[in-house]
Amino acid sequence: DAGVIQSPRHEVTEMGQEVTLRCKPISGHDYLFWYRQTMMRGLELLIYFNNNVPIDDSGMPEDRFSAKMPNASFSTLKIQPSEPRDSAVYFCASSPRLAQVLGDTQYFGPGTRLTVL
Amino acid sequence: AQTVTQSQPEMSVQEAETVTLSCTYDTSESDYYLFWYKQPPSRQMILVIRQEAYKQQNATENRFSVNFQKAAKSFSLKISDSQLGDAAMYFCAYRRLNTGTASKLTFGTGTRLQVTL
Repeated sequence: DAGVIQSPRHEVTEMGQEVTLRCKPISGHDYLFWYRQTMMRGLELLIYFNNNVPIDDSGMPEDRFSAKMPNASFSTLKIQPSEPRDSAVYFCASSPRLAQVLGDTQYFGPGTRLTVL
Repeated sequence: AQTVTQSQPEMSVQEAETVTLSCTYDTSESDYYLFWYKQPPSRQMILVIRQEAYKQQNATENRFSVNFQKAAKSFSLKISDSQLGDAAMYFCAYRRLNTGTASKLTFGTGTRLQVTL
């Protein structure tokens, strides 16, 4: 298996522009998570999905952030409009349903480094 | 709310030696999971080891082992025979047991491990 795939790996944009980050979870995994990592705040969970349905979006910082999962193999995290303080590394992770019993091991993608100028 | 504390921002170990990374957590739950993740310069998050709180036996994975002290709420990671490839950020993470949908991982702030020749 290729693991969790994220694109792009790096994104540089200007303030006010729309940014879309993409994620392909591991095939067969029912859970998908979006995290943000910054020096100041460390790793924060933004939102997670179960079977394509958003379950907990309490970590989404504000209305400028939105996430969708139109099918089991694809998710997007969109920021519109972007601001310099959104600069961070954004991780996508997935885990299988049986992880409920096995310990919810989450497999992380390589991350997208976003820079908003 | 659960919190995870890693009190060592940086650690250094010589190649082939043993190093222990500390982690403490705070929770009122009796059943939960604990994890150690490794984040090398590539930024990908890699699961190192997992411990179920209901198991008294400490988890072991090749050169990696944990010292889980439930009463003390301590979960340290021991790396034996350190290798240059072990150099990375190490994150301790907590997840409470949830019989329903998945719940989020709570991460510590990380310990940067340097391996010297």
